[in-house]
Amino acid sequence: NAGVTQTPKFQVLKTGQSMTLQCAQDMNHEYMSWYRQDPGMGLRLIHYSVGAGITDQGEVPNGYNVSRSTTEDFPLRLLSAAPSQTSVYFCASSWDRSTPQHFGDGTRLSIL
Amino acid sequence: ELKVEQNPLFLSMQEGKNYTIYCNYSTTSDRLYWYRQDPGKSLESLFVLLSNGAVKQEGRLMASLDTKARLSTLHITAAVHDLSATYFCAVVWPNYGGSQGNLIFGKGTKLSVKP
Repeated sequence: NAGVTQTPKFQVLKTGQSMTLQCAQDMNHEYMSWYRQDPGMGLRLIHYSVGAGITDQGEVPNGYNVSRSTTEDFPLRLLSAAPSQTSVYFCASSWDRSTPQHFGDGTRLSIL
Repeated sequence: ELKVEQNPLFLSMQEGKNYTIYCNYSTTSDRLYWYRQDPGKSLESLFVLLSNGAVKQEGRLMASLDTKARLSTLHITAAVHDLSATYFCAVVWPNYGGSQGNLIFGKGTKLSVKP
């Protein structure tokens, strides 16, 4: 089983560029989420989705957009990259809130 | 606002010793998770604690939950080097995120077990 797949694994951007981080899961999970992990900060929720066509904001949504057109895919878009968005981004999925989330391997993003 | 606090944030232990990591949270929640993260890697689910008094054990790790005190502990027995990692607790905040609830993570405890 592939589980949760994130691409790319590493990316360097210039300030002002836009890009999309991809996340796909093959477990038919309804719930998907995006987190960012910064040193000493734990993981902070950016956006989440409880099913196809339904998304909502998390703790730190500014500068990011998401969409959920299918159950499998949950891409995260950076609209205009800023150095403050340099971070490790994790995508996760689960059946629902009572089951543990499965995390992808992360995308390490640097913005110069 | 739900706050999740872990302590200590850094822990250096000798092999064979016992220690406890604490996770306090500020608002009522009905479930708590413990995750492990190795350097440069993803997060791995260790335990799900669903009710007051819940205790789960896996190898040298034992987790417990006291919902009245809003406290969870992760106890390490006779530590070995392979346990070196960062451990996160995460609490579901039911009022955040509609019916699903969402996870609020602690900042993590970086554990280093030395021979």
